[in-house]
Amino acid sequence: ETGVTQSPTHLIKTRGQQVTLRCSSQSGHNTVSWYQQALGQGPQFIFQYYREEENGRGNFPPRFSGLQFPNYSSELNVNALELDDSALYLCASSPVIAGGPGELFFGEGSRLTVL
Amino acid sequence: GESVGLHLPTLSVQEGDNSIINCAYSNSASDYFIWYKQESGKGPQFIIDIRSNMDKRQGQRVTVLLNKTVKHLSLQIAATQPGDSAVYFCAENRNAGNMLTFGGGTRLMVKP
Repeated sequence: ETGVTQSPTHLIKTRGQQVTLRCSSQSGHNTVSWYQQALGQGPQFIFQYYREEENGRGNFPPRFSGLQFPNYSSELNVNALELDDSALYLCASSPVIAGGPGELFFGEGSRLTVL
Repeated sequence: GESVGLHLPTLSVQEGDNSIINCAYSNSASDYFIWYKQESGKGPQFIIDIRSNMDKRQGQRVTVLLNKTVKHLSLQIAATQPGDSAVYFCAENRNAGNMLTFGGGTRLMVKP
């Protein structure tokens, strides 16, 4: 167990709808990252939040957005869902952002199916 | 574009044998590499990491080797056990911000 919790674990949406996924980071971790993992592929970096600000972003369109709250928990929002958005969405927390990379602690993921 | 990739998508080994999972990377600027294990229905689990100023690092039953000359990374698992069956990913970090680029994964199957 990593201490990173995500909700919901599974959900089904239809094209054009919007979805919000939630993540509680491990205690003391101030950085949260989100990854998209399509079936049979490796995770792809979406974005990272540090001190409630987006700190970095991968190659994802603006309809993917996020938030980080003062307690370091985070949300991932996806608007105008497309079929290709069907994937496992992983949240990962880490204790520091400066001074070099460190271990990421992943949650179990939220599996989104878009019909 | 530059990416991290794996040579073998599936590796089948006998219980008790040693396993070697390989990974090629193309970004010479990457300074940190990590191996993750992902079991079915779970998130990736950290196994071992190595920084670019090292060529070998050992953990419990696992060893990571880094060959910067040929941009190659490998994970060695000693005395492979059924519980080692999973998909293994290598990942690289190109900056200090922990924004990882993952490879496509290798499925390790351990036969009893």
